[in-house]
Amino acid sequence: EAGVVQSPRYKIIEKKQPVAFWCNPISGHNTLYWYLQNLGQGPELLIRYENEEAVDDSQLPKDRFSAERLKGVDSTLKIQPAELGDSAVYLCASSPGAFSGRSDTQYFGPGTRLTVL
Amino acid sequence: GQQVMQIPQYQHVQEGEDFTTYCNSSTTLSNIQWYKQRPGGHPVFLIQLVKSGEVKKQKRLTFQFGEAKKNSSLHITATQTTDVGTYFCAWGTYKYIFGTGTRLKVLA
Repeated sequence: EAGVVQSPRYKIIEKKQPVAFWCNPISGHNTLYWYLQNLGQGPELLIRYENEEAVDDSQLPKDRFSAERLKGVDSTLKIQPAELGDSAVYLCASSPGAFSGRSDTQYFGPGTRLTVL
Repeated sequence: GQQVMQIPQYQHVQEGEDFTTYCNSSTTLSNIQWYKQRPGGHPVFLIQLVKSGEVKKQKRLTFQFGEAKKNSSLHITATQTTDVGTYFCAWGTYKYIFGTGTRLKVLA
């Protein structure tokens, strides 16, 4: 079974530039999460999708961050414009879907390490 | 609001020694999950505990959920160099909040 796929793995941009991250969850997983992880800290939830619906985006800085999950499968997270403080690892995770009565075990992708100069 | 502390922040052990990390909450938790993240890697799910007083074992790893469901522990017996990494607890329902993690170093 293929795991969660993320791309790119690394991204270096200058501040004020836009950047986008892509995630392909495990096939059949209804729930998709985007997390931000700073060095030495635990993952922090940015947004959670149940199928194509964003059911929890309270932690997403909506002035510069946006996300979408078209057709309830792949997802894209965008930052525009990027700031120096956005440098972090952006993790995508998926789970079968506790919301639908299935397991909420989260399977993480390898992450995208973003460096903003 | 709910506060969950994970301790210790760091732990260095000699290979073969035991290791324990704790998550302590100020309020009752519905469930708790444990993850391991190797250096440079991503979090990998280890286990979920749901019931009061639950104890689960995975080879050298023992997971416990307190009777009051306010604390949990992960114990590793006879650590090996492959146990190196950061161990996170995470709690919630649908939406999980991760602890700050315990970084384990095993000295050969």
